[in-house]
Amino acid sequence: KAGVTQTPRYLIKTRGQQVTLSCSPISGHRSVSWYQQTPGQGLQFLFEYFSETQRNKGNFPGRFSGRQFSNSRSEMNVSTLELGDSALYLCASSPGLGNGYTFGSGTRLTVV
Amino acid sequence: EDQVTQSPEALRLQEGESSSLNCSYTVSGLRGLFWYRQDPGKGPEFLFTLYSAGEEKEKERLKATLTKKESFLHITAPKPEDSATYLCAVAFTGGSYIPTFGRGTSLIVHP
Repeated sequence: KAGVTQTPRYLIKTRGQQVTLSCSPISGHRSVSWYQQTPGQGLQFLFEYFSETQRNKGNFPGRFSGRQFSNSRSEMNVSTLELGDSALYLCASSPGLGNGYTFGSGTRLTVV
Repeated sequence: EDQVTQSPEALRLQEGESSSLNCSYTVSGLRGLFWYRQDPGKGPEFLFTLYSAGEEKEKERLKATLTKKESFLHITAPKPEDSATYLCAVAFTGGSYIPTFGRGTSLIVHP
């Protein structure tokens, strides 16, 4: 059974640019959540999608957005990148809302 | 104020030296408490879910227990391959079911 796949694994962007990260959940999982992980703040919840609808949103500025497609794949977008956006972005999928999460290996974003 | 606190932040053990990691939470109304293991450069790997006080779960050298306000992850006779960061996450009944993560305990087991 394939796990959660995140692409790309590494990304280097310049301040002011935008970036799109992709996540393919485990087959059959309809819920996809995104987290930001930094050494200073730990794991911070960004948003959760279920059946193409955003169900929950964390305390992040509007520059962070996401979407989910009909096949449950999800993308998150960060516009106008800032140095502080450098982090490991993790995607997690679960069979339904509130169930245990399976995480991907993450996308390491570096903003220079 | 952090709702989920893990201690210690870092722990160094000798191989075979048993110990416990702690996860405490301040908000009442537990929906579920989750333990994860995270290796460098990888995403967290699910270990256990606990739902009510008194519940225990075991997997190899790991045993998770839950009381009303805290959980312990007991590591018995650890091996160097148990070295990782252990994360605790708590979902509360009062609001969204989205789990709040603690900062983690970094465990190093020396051979």
